[in-house]
Amino acid sequence: EIVMTQSPATLSVSPGERATLSCRASQSVSSNLAWYQQKPGQAPRLLIYGASTRATGIPARFSGSGSGTEFTLTISSLQSEDFAVYYCQQYNNWPRWTFGQGTKVEIK
Amino acid sequence: EVQLVESGGGLVQPGGSLRLSCAASGFTFSSYSMNWVRQAPGKGLEWVSYISSSSSTIYYADSVKGRFTISRDNAKNSLYLQMNSLRDEDTAVYYCAREVKVVDYWGQGTLVTVSS
Repeated sequence: EIVMTQSPATLSVSPGERATLSCRASQSVSSNLAWYQQKPGQAPRLLIYGASTRATGIPARFSGSGSGTEFTLTISSLQSEDFAVYYCQQYNNWPRWTFGQGTKVEIK
Repeated sequence: EVQLVESGGGLVQPGGSLRLSCAASGFTFSSYSMNWVRQAPGKGLEWVSYISSSSSTIYYADSVKGRFTISRDNAKNSLYLQMNSLRDEDTAVYYCAREVKVVDYWGQGTLVTVSS
């Protein structure tokens, strides 16, 4: 099983600031990495796939980078609606997806 | 508009059974592979099972293999998850998920609680 590890567990950021979230895979997943956003009581929403491609309708302030085992999700200027939990997911070992444990982005 | 609506969750005793359903609309259901993904209370996401568009290929997570059965009825635009021999650790919100290698649409989830 490919283990996905996210850091930090919680990120405290002020509105308008930049947020940088990390995800590490226990073995290479190439660029088969996605990011999801989940708000309380809601289903996750796809933000990024292919490590860096924004999904339909996702604002340009969300960007993804990385390949192999190290990945980053950057939110360039946090808006109030961006405070949520973010999960990375590998699909290199499709269909046996594995997800990170999540990073909570909270208001500082 | 793509919609996935799960139903069938509830409270069940350990060792019991439950059948989840997912009604799909707004897209050609028979053209897409589907998955179930679960989330224990306050925890992260766990992939449970996969079924191809024609039901010819099925996969399960090791944690549910031999206990859960995924199926679909393309004529009814529906996905199912039969869950037997339920354990405390199966308590979770179960999401129906449309797949294009990643999940592009999720249902709202249905809560399954396994407790005596």
